Amino acid sequence: EAQVTQNPRYLITVTGKKLTVTCSQNMNHEYMSWYRQDPGLGLRQIYYSMNVEVTDKGDVPEGYKVSRKEKRNFPLILESPSPNQTSLYFCASSFYSRDSLANYGYTFGSGTRLTVV
Amino acid sequence: AQTVTQSQPEMSVQEAETVTLSCTYDTSENNYYLFWYKQPPSRQMILVIRQEAYKQQNATENRFSVNFQKAAKSFSLKISDSQLGDTAMYFCAFMSNAGNMLTFGGGTRLMVKP
Repeated sequence: EAQVTQNPRYLITVTGKKLTVTCSQNMNHEYMSWYRQDPGLGLRQIYYSMNVEVTDKGDVPEGYKVSRKEKRNFPLILESPSPNQTSLYFCASSFYSRDSLANYGYTFGSGTRLTVV
Repeated sequence: AQTVTQSQPEMSVQEAETVTLSCTYDTSENNYYLFWYKQPPSRQMILVIRQEAYKQQNATENRFSVNFQKAAKSFSLKISDSQLGDTAMYFCAFMSNAGNMLTFGGGTRLMVKP
């Protein structure tokens, strides 16, 4: 089944303890990105990657890191989490072609609910 | 930078009736894409309908249709014959021709009542 898989689905952690949220897709998509969802703000892009070893900042990159060493994986790293990073996180992927984007948009993972106390 | 505004934080509709969700956006681009995503309580983001800006004809997918007014920068979603399973958060989203980011509105929570 074609999908984007995120893990974990839920995570509670303490301030300052490094964590990684994994994201993997099995569709050979070039493009991958991370979003955070907060009430009233919709989803906002954190980082994106156009291909292996190519990453760039989105609208809200502060406090986050990413890497793209393999095409299928795009982990999100919080090196020193803070309570303002408590949020719902989504990974998304797509072929980077006009037809694919226009017809299918992005494929999203199931989300990771992160709580930082 | 583009912005997307959904002015209705919450709406409700009776089962089998029709409801329209509003969305406006701001951009200086001429070619772009617009989407409506549905997020049920399961949290999954589900693509409902999409529209390419250069296409004048409004998109339709079964009970879902859009009213795309390019000059007014408006992209409303009409749900006909509402069903209980339509209860969800709905997000309007904009994508530029570059395709590297979706800009979302704040969402509209829709409740379909029996």
